Amino acid sequence: GAVVSQHPSRVICKSGTSVKIECRSLDFQATTMFWYRQFPKQSLMLMATSNEGSKATYEQGVEKDKFLINHASLTLSTLTVTSAHPEDSSFYICSARDLIRGGNYGYTFGSGTRLTVV
Amino acid sequence: DQQVKQNSPSLSVQEGRISILNCDYTNSMFDYFLWYKKYPAEGPTFLISISSIKDKNEDGRFTVFLNKSAKHLSLHIVPSQPGDSAVYFCAASTTGNQFYFGTGTSLTVIP
Repeated sequence: GAVVSQHPSRVICKSGTSVKIECRSLDFQATTMFWYRQFPKQSLMLMATSNEGSKATYEQGVEKDKFLINHASLTLSTLTVTSAHPEDSSFYICSARDLIRGGNYGYTFGSGTRLTVV
Repeated sequence: DQQVKQNSPSLSVQEGRISILNCDYTNSMFDYFLWYKKYPAEGPTFLISISSIKDKNEDGRFTVFLNKSAKHLSLHIVPSQPGDSAVYFCAASTTGNQFYFGTGTSLTVIP
């Protein structure tokens, strides 16, 4: 089935540094990828929608200059957390749509990245 | 390697009847489980959770059952309503670690 690979699974960084998270669709083409953030035991919150070859669409309240999203190819989207602060510590997860399977259940999730900013 | 599986991609239920969505997992270390609901063009929203110390958790019309020996999780919706039509994802984790998600079951409640 459709697989989305997300790396790294865990990262610890110092305040003020930047962290890049990669999301790859391994066996399908994903024209659209979604980036979510999840606080402990809370719902996933959509941060932005990433479309291949165009600018990402950010949800209200999400700083686009802080959370840089690049979707340079049909199989790769990256999220860069710039100048990270402890309040950015969270669980980030990507999701991609499988165009072949399509439908509402064509969304495949990556396994997530646990970011800890110290 | 899919550690969390939802083997039914779709389910149709008559309004007022019970909807049962199933989820299987392979990792016996998982101790926290979630169900998410997702409408088209929206992000998933948290629905209900259960920890491994329980075998049942109920919230209104939604009940989640956990069978640890069978590594099986199910979500019951009673009575089903047309507004429940959405895609439902289950997810599992070991405490403090990443979540593993199923691929979703599309529920259609027929008026």
